[in-house]
Amino acid sequence: EVQLVESGGGLVQPGGSLRLSCTASGFSFSSFAFHWVRQVPGKGLEYVSAISNEDTTFYANSVKGRFTISRDNSKNTLYLQMGSLRAEDMAVYYCARDLAGVGALDIWGQGTMVTVSS
Amino acid sequence: DIVMTQFPDSLAVSLGERATINCKSSQSILYRSNKKNYLAWYQQRPGQPPKLLIYWASTRESGVPDRFSGSGSGTDFTLTISSLQAEDVAVYYCQQYYDSPRTFGQGTKLEIK
Repeated sequence: EVQLVESGGGLVQPGGSLRLSCTASGFSFSSFAFHWVRQVPGKGLEYVSAISNEDTTFYANSVKGRFTISRDNSKNTLYLQMGSLRAEDMAVYYCARDLAGVGALDIWGQGTMVTVSS
Repeated sequence: DIVMTQFPDSLAVSLGERATINCKSSQSILYRSNKKNYLAWYQQRPGQPPKLLIYWASTRESGVPDRFSGSGSGTDFTLTISSLQAEDVAVYYCQQYYDSPRTFGQGTKLEIK
């Protein structure tokens, strides 16, 4: 089965750090680009970051300089290292696969909640 | 950034009736060299992650019922559900993938009347 499973969410204090992981199975991980999208519960989707199959990265302005996206093809895992966390970073974080040759997001994980609070 | 605006914000439609959701981009997302519109539609049911319904503005993802269709070009796009079913209750999002960041519309909540 093709799937993505996120982990690593939890409670962190403002200014703290957290690393999210997204483990893939059922397909050739190294061939695809991946994205992180977040959603405040009850609100809309916000695009966060992306990494190509050649390690080219992109960040939304809201997280640039604070978040780092990376991948380990040997572990079929995508990461999002989050630092200097703020209350406005509190959300469900989804990883998603880029539909090859298209750019839409065809496979999504179930999401992991990040809570930023003292 | 390309701004995606959906309307209406919410919609109530009777079972078996047609539902129409609109999405407008702040600039054209039609790539002239391949004549493709870089627009996707997603469905998000309560408590679930988004699900890809349509890409290239009008191509249904595998397994998506044919009552879902997408249309439009340039800056104006429409998602149509031809005959609303109970399982279609969800929030629907458009997204452009023409440029980064790949921005989403604010979402349209679809309910049963």
